[in-house]
Amino acid sequence: TQLLEQSPQFLSIQEGENLTVYCNSSSVFSSLQWYRQEPGEGPVLLVTVVTGGEVKKLKRLTFQFGDARKDSSLHITAAQPGDTGLYLCAGAPNTNAGKSTFGDGTTLTVKP
Amino acid sequence: DAGVIQSPRHEVTEMGQEVTLRCKPISGHNSLFWYRQTMMRGLELLIYFNNNVPIDDSGMPEDRFSAKMPNASFSTLKIQPSEPRDSAVYFCASRPTGAGNTGELFFGEGSRLTVL
Repeated sequence: TQLLEQSPQFLSIQEGENLTVYCNSSSVFSSLQWYRQEPGEGPVLLVTVVTGGEVKKLKRLTFQFGDARKDSSLHITAAQPGDTGLYLCAGAPNTNAGKSTFGDGTTLTVKP
Repeated sequence: DAGVIQSPRHEVTEMGQEVTLRCKPISGHNSLFWYRQTMMRGLELLIYFNNNVPIDDSGMPEDRFSAKMPNASFSTLKIQPSEPRDSAVYFCASRPTGAGNTGELFFGEGSRLTVL
């Protein structure tokens, strides 16, 4: 069974601060996704990383895939209250037919 | 385009009753997944289908749970009889397969089940 460990589990910060969330595994994934989930809704895809060492930016969010494709990080610059939510990473071992493994999530609260 | 559609959004039932959750995946998506989310256990995969065929049901808790996908546009998750410990939010997600697919899942808004 492939496991993904996310840290920290909970994070509470003030508006304007920076933060980093980590997603680690001992397994190699062919791709890794980051999702954001708000209360009462389903997870919504933020980004997919595929290549080892890849860095993707989405406005104030920066995503990195480890060189060995076993880990990933999400960095948010100048966090805003609208960034509040549950952040989930998920790894896909086989994109064509395999099942994705989800981390336990990081609950982020950004206080105004 | 419509996303993944789940019904009902909320259901409250009594222990022992049958519960049926429904899902309509995104048109053209060949894979469908049922997840359960709780505070204690996070997001757990229950079962997934490829081209309407169940591929992996190892996450289904026990015989009280069953899932079907009679065609490409409809799936059900049934719990019979329901128990209080089944209370959770149940998500359906779909994914396209084939060239270019990189594993992204598209989730419905979930069905919140409360078993009293």
